This record gives sequence, C-alpha cells and structure tokens, in this order.
Amino acid sequence: GESVGLHLPTLSVQEGDNSIINCAYSNSASDYFIWYKQESGKGPQFIIDIRSNMDKRQGQRVTVLLNKTVKHLSLQIAATQPGDSAVYFCAEKGGGGSNYKLTFGKGTLLTVNP
Amino acid sequence: EPEVTQTPSHQVTQMGQEVILRCVPISNHLYFYWYRQILGQKVEFLVSFYNNEISEKSEIFDDQFSVERPDGSNFTLKIRSTKLEDSAMYFCASSERSYGYTFGSGTRLTVV
Repeated sequence: GESVGLHLPTLSVQEGDNSIINCAYSNSASDYFIWYKQESGKGPQFIIDIRSNMDKRQGQRVTVLLNKTVKHLSLQIAATQPGDSAVYFCAEKGGGGSNYKLTFGKGTLLTVNP
Repeated sequence: EPEVTQTPSHQVTQMGQEVILRCVPISNHLYFYWYRQILGQKVEFLVSFYNNEISEKSEIFDDQFSVERPDGSNFTLKIRSTKLEDSAMYFCASSERSYGYTFGSGTRLTVV
C-alpha cells in the first residue's frame, strides 16, 4: 500500500556529546535560513538563523554553518542535554521570487540519552 | 518573552462545516502567517498577510480558505467547508520584518 508520512532521519547521542544535524536545501536563490526545534505537540521554536552573506553564526551552545556551494546547512549543538531531544527542522526563504514563504525541510529527530 | 497565542488548542468539526482558527500575533509585529502540518509530515506554508492584504499564498490556500485581521490584535484563518484532508496542526506565526518568525503552539484540527 501507499506509505504516508515521512521517515525522519534520526540522530541518537549521549548527554554531553556534541550533535551535528545536517540539512540540504533546494533553492540556490534562498537568502535566509532558520533552524527550528519542535517538541511533540508544540509549534516550531526558533533556534538560530543565518543570512546568505554569512558562513557561520554562533548562539548559546548552537552554531549554524552555511555552505552555499553545495547548498548545505548544519546545526551544531554543544554539550547536548536531554532537553534538546526534539525534531529539528531547517527552513529557507527567499528563493523563486518569494519574500515571505518559509520552506521547511523534513526534519531530523534528535534523541539524547542520559 | 512575547508569544503568539492560538485558540482553540484542539478543534473537532464535522466534514462540510466551517471553522475559524484564531491567533493573536505579537503586538508590534507587522507580518502574519499561517502554516499547517499534517501528522508526520513537513510544515507547509499556507499564506502570508501584510498591510491588511494577502502578500503570498500557496497552492494549498484555495477558495475554501480565507484570512482576516478583524481588529488590531486578532488574525484568523477560516475554512469554509472542511474536508477530511484538512485535518492537521495549523500554526500561526508573526514577524516584525520579513524574517525572524515566531510561531504559536498550534491548533489541532480534526475533521470527522
């Protein structure tokens, strides 16, 4: 039968380890990228963003890296904690003449083991 | 920290009925959005709203959907005649500029 839903990539790490979550985006014209965290039953929660004129941006325990050459975005979480367990989405904006629409990736499920 | 507030948190409706989902964006924000997420799938853009008009909409946002900002604080999404496939989480978001979005916690719409 037809499958529904998405099989999320998963990442399982030990508490205290660093996590790296990757995202391939689709549109080379996109000029703004955001990482969101989504816990079960909740809305996307902003983590960090980056504009296309930057390669790297750091926040508290998080770093986003942007490689425009290969259209790749990554989120690094330092000293991962159990509270970081969630689905992480990258989102892009600005491609194809769109100024407002965010296009979300399919997400990665991060599980932090105590 | 300012929040986007959505009501109700869960709405059950019969197929063919009209529903209105409500949102109170962050007070100084100027851009408003609706997204939806069908269970287990990606978050999908529906519509953006700026300066009292729709600025962009997706193919999903057909004639069954409409948005309104009836007063200075609320932003609503109306679905005129719900279908089973409209069952999803609906997220409202707002932003001060065309970036830096804040999402609400969502309304789970179940069409039976």
